[in-house]
Amino acid sequence: KNQVEQSPQSLIILEGKNCTLQCNYTVSPFSNLRWYKQDTGRGPVSLTIMTFSENTKSNGRYTATLDADTKQSSLHITASQLSDSASYICVVSFITNDYKLSFGAGTTVTVRA
Amino acid sequence: ETGVTQTPRHLVMGMTNKKSLKCEQHLGHNAMYWYKQSAKKPLELMFVYSLEERVENNSVPSRFSPECPNSSHLFLHLHTLQPEDSALYLCASSQDARTDTQYFGPGTRLTVL
Repeated sequence: KNQVEQSPQSLIILEGKNCTLQCNYTVSPFSNLRWYKQDTGRGPVSLTIMTFSENTKSNGRYTATLDADTKQSSLHITASQLSDSASYICVVSFITNDYKLSFGAGTTVTVRA
Repeated sequence: ETGVTQTPRHLVMGMTNKKSLKCEQHLGHNAMYWYKQSAKKPLELMFVYSLEERVENNSVPSRFSPECPNSSHLFLHLHTLQPEDSALYLCASSQDARTDTQYFGPGTRLTVL
């Protein structure tokens, strides 16, 4: 079973509207959590990174939240634009003898005019 | 651009062909990675190289053969592939193998007929 679960799998929103993506993880011991944006035909690009002590992090119209107690994170997109159409991937970093990354399957967001 | 380039961007090959994927990073990093990304699935780590030495091989079939001639270049040699190997193959790099900030290339879309 994957240690990082994302929901919904996909969503469609109208331009200008807001949306929220969810990420639940069971990874331990936790190091940090990142949200990546992956445009079609491109590699993932980091949007935000949060450590255990951070509850929220913003990058323009993207705001990520983290609740390390419940092991949940969300990514909120405000006033969506057509260019926000992409896959958003939650990645949790944890440490054993070395660091490891656990990837979610992603949420595909489609913004329509 | 992330500083990581991949060629070719698209590749169609038969099951009996031999081909190679190339990755180059211009960031001065010491670690490089190959990932497989299939539709609706999390990224799967295939290989990790640190200072040109393979440090991780995640039970990848021998029909995939990596090569890292120097810290800036990474190859993935393909032979006798199966249709289920069709996927997006992503290369990434990081400062070192203990740093979890990875920069991804645009990927090679591979189709095996």
